Amino acid sequence: QVQLQQSGPGLVKPSQTLSLTCVISGDSVSSNSAAWNWIRQSPSRGLEWLGRTYYRSTWYNDYAVSVKSRITFNSDTSKNQFSLHLNSVTPEDAAVYYCAKGVNPWELVVWGQGTLVTVSP
Amino acid sequence: QSALTQPPSASGSPGQSVTISCTGTSSDVGGYNYVSWYQQYPGKAPKVIIYEVSKRPSGVPDRFSGSKSGNTASLTVSGLQAEDEADYYCSSYGGINNLAVFGGGTKLSVL
Repeated sequence: QVQLQQSGPGLVKPSQTLSLTCVISGDSVSSNSAAWNWIRQSPSRGLEWLGRTYYRSTWYNDYAVSVKSRITFNSDTSKNQFSLHLNSVTPEDAAVYYCAKGVNPWELVVWGQGTLVTVSP
Repeated sequence: QSALTQPPSASGSPGQSVTISCTGTSSDVGGYNYVSWYQQYPGKAPKVIIYEVSKRPSGVPDRFSGSKSGNTASLTVSGLQAEDEADYYCSSYGGINNLAVFGGGTKLSVL
């Protein structure tokens, strides 16, 4: 079955870039029938969808309006993984970050284990 | 503040039924049959238990059911069991600028 394994630092300094990676097993990041999402969860903001990346002969990215100016995704087919980069972080970006599989972002069928990210000097 | 409104808590005794509501607008919950429900245990990732308003993924007990009326979706848990004690979140298509929106979550207690 599909499994997602997240990695990345748990501590990021304010104004720096938060980068997380999600390694896929049991599926392909370049599958024409899948999409790969990032979501975060914090006590103040609840669950928040950040965006998705998917491949349909070319790569597409959709981003949530709340982070659109600061977020980028990229994918590495050789490592079968996808990554999140969120720049200019503030304490408001502190949260548990999840990667998840789901063509429809409101139906996320497989989730990573989550990464707690703290934003602090 | 979450886009969809859920009660912060709900409770019931073993064997009873409990219903959790999720209220949105005609731009999300009311406009499409794209409502999902997630169950989340402490320290774990959410797990989808209902999708497209009322469909259950394989392996989800039929004690869980979903429905929708107007701008409000509902999750009903029948025959409550101790293992149902968890947080429950609704999610919906939120429009072209924010494809998915979530509710603030409901903590279900089995008394």
